[in-house]
Amino acid sequence: GAVVSQHPSRVICKSGTSVKIECRSLDFQATTMFWYRQFPKQSLMLMATSNEGSKATYEQGVEKDKFLINHASLTLSTLTVTSAHPEDSSFYICSAPEGDRTEAFFGQGTRLTVV
Amino acid sequence: GQNIDQPTEMTATEGAIVQINCTYQTSGFNGLFWYQQHAGEAPTFLSYNVLDGLEEKGRFSSFLSRSKGYSYLLLKELQMKDSASYLCAVRGGGNKLTFGTGTQLKVEL
Repeated sequence: GAVVSQHPSRVICKSGTSVKIECRSLDFQATTMFWYRQFPKQSLMLMATSNEGSKATYEQGVEKDKFLINHASLTLSTLTVTSAHPEDSSFYICSAPEGDRTEAFFGQGTRLTVV
Repeated sequence: GQNIDQPTEMTATEGAIVQINCTYQTSGFNGLFWYQQHAGEAPTFLSYNVLDGLEEKGRFSSFLSRSKGYSYLLLKELQMKDSASYLCAVRGGGNKLTFGTGTQLKVEL
């Protein structure tokens, strides 16, 4: 089946630094990928839609200058959390639909802790 | 807007049957998904409904009524490993998934 790989799985960074998270579709091309954030004991909240070759579409309330998304190729999307603060600590997860297949495939998720 | 509701927590006994309900009010509808998520892990796809009726897949079944904006996930022959969070998600336009609040299921002996 289709596989989406997300890296790193865990990262700890200092306040004020930036962190880059990668999401790769391993055996299919993804013109669109989605980035979610999940706080403890809460559901997944869509942050933005990453579009290959064009600008990402951000959900209401998500700062596009803080969460930079780049979809440089048909198999790679990156999310950069800039000037991270402790409140950005969360579980970030990407997903990619494969063509007409019904289910979206999720990456393994990244646990970000900002200290 | 999108509004998807599920019970926050449920408890059931090993070997029993449990039904997790999901109601939704969304501006677009292109299918409803159920995912299972263990703590700290990515969601795992369980089922997909786009037409009214029941979809059965082993111990798991999912039902959809589009006119009522209602779905349920039925888990039979519960096992301890079924203890997890169950997420209802509605797909709207552009393949976007909007997730419900999630139901934390605890299976007890």
